[in-house]
Amino acid sequence: DGGITQSPKYLFRKEGQNVTLSCEQNLNHDAMYWYRQDPGQGLRLIYYSQIVNDFQKGDIAEGYSVSREKKESFPLTVTSAQKNPTAFYLCASSIGASPQPQHFGDGTRLSIL
Amino acid sequence: KQEVTQIPAALSVPEGENLVLNCSFTDSAIYNLQWFRQDPGKGLTSLLLIQSSQREQTSGRLNASLDKSSGRSTLYIAASQPGDSATYLCAVAEDYGQNFVFGPGTRLSVLP
Repeated sequence: DGGITQSPKYLFRKEGQNVTLSCEQNLNHDAMYWYRQDPGQGLRLIYYSQIVNDFQKGDIAEGYSVSREKKESFPLTVTSAQKNPTAFYLCASSIGASPQPQHFGDGTRLSIL
Repeated sequence: KQEVTQIPAALSVPEGENLVLNCSFTDSAIYNLQWFRQDPGKGLTSLLLIQSSQREQTSGRLNASLDKSSGRSTLYIAASQPGDSATYLCAVAEDYGQNFVFGPGTRLSVLP
């Protein structure tokens, strides 16, 4: 079955530590996205990539970094510069650039130890 | 800057009721609008997408309408079931190439 796989489902970060969230898709989609979801708020865009080896900052990119070396993979690193990283992180993909319909993974919940 | 709101934040209804969820956006010049469902601890599942030239879209018991001039969309759920319990989010895109702006969602509980 085609879809988007995010791992791990739960992740804990210590102070001063960088952590990387994985996102893999086998839908052959060109575009991929990372969102952050906080309670009572809508999804906010962190980074997006419309093509391999290219990505753009979203609304809240500070403290995060990404890479897009392969079409099917778009990992997100939460760096120690992100002072409030506790949130639910969602990865999505679409066949073309936004606003094509987006398909979502099941998310990673990141917490601070 | 586009802002999307959804009222109510939470809704509880008995099984079998027809219900309406509301989505409002501040800039009426949108490209399309999408409704999603999110189950607890899960990602989003696309339900319906309405292009700016359309007035409504239907899928099974779901019907979404769009009134661009008033900046509103509604999601109508007919004959609600306990399995419909989830959070429903709407998202708007202002133009081709522009990313979606999401509302905070309405948490729906359908009681058996």
